[in-house]
Amino acid sequence: EAGVAQSPRYKIIEKRQSVAFWCNPISGHATLYWYQQILGQGPKLLIQFQNNGVVDDSQLPKDRFSAERLKGVDSTLKIQPAKLEDSAVYLCASRPLVLTDTQYFGPGTRLTVL
Amino acid sequence: SQQGEEDPQALSIQEGENATMNCSYKTSINNLQWYRQNSGRGLVHLILIRSNEREKHSGRLRVTLDTSKKSSSLLITASRAADTASYFCVAETSGSRLTFGEGTQLTVNP
Repeated sequence: EAGVAQSPRYKIIEKRQSVAFWCNPISGHATLYWYQQILGQGPKLLIQFQNNGVVDDSQLPKDRFSAERLKGVDSTLKIQPAKLEDSAVYLCASRPLVLTDTQYFGPGTRLTVL
Repeated sequence: SQQGEEDPQALSIQEGENATMNCSYKTSINNLQWYRQNSGRGLVHLILIRSNEREKHSGRLRVTLDTSKKSSSLLITASRAADTASYFCVAETSGSRLTFGEGTQLTVNP
């Protein structure tokens, strides 16, 4: 079974630039999560989708971050404009609809904002 | 707000010893999960314990859950150098929201 795919794996940008990350969840997984993990900290949930609807985006900085999950499959997370403090690893995870199962994480995208 | 909080923040042991990590959380949970993250690598699910369970085993892992104290512990027996990683507890609350703690950094010395 293919895992959660993310791209790019690494990205370096200047502050005030824009960046987008892409996630392809495991086939059939209804729930998709985006997390931000700053070095030395635990992942922080940014947004949670159930199919193509948003379940929880309470910790998403909506003035600069946006995310969508068209057709309930792939998802993109965008930052516009980026700040220095956005430097982090952005993790995507997916989960089947059955809530007794776990979430499966992608390898992450490491973002460096200069 | 922080849900899972691990203790200790860092733990260093010798190969073959047991490692115990603790986690506390604040609100009612559906389940509690433990994940491992190796340096520079992805998060791997280790074990899930439901709110109506008190103890669960998986290989060298033993997890306990005390909902009255809102706490959980992860025991790794007969540790190996390959167990060196960060360990996170994750509290799942209503709406399948998952909140990570800050993690325990475990170092197993050969």
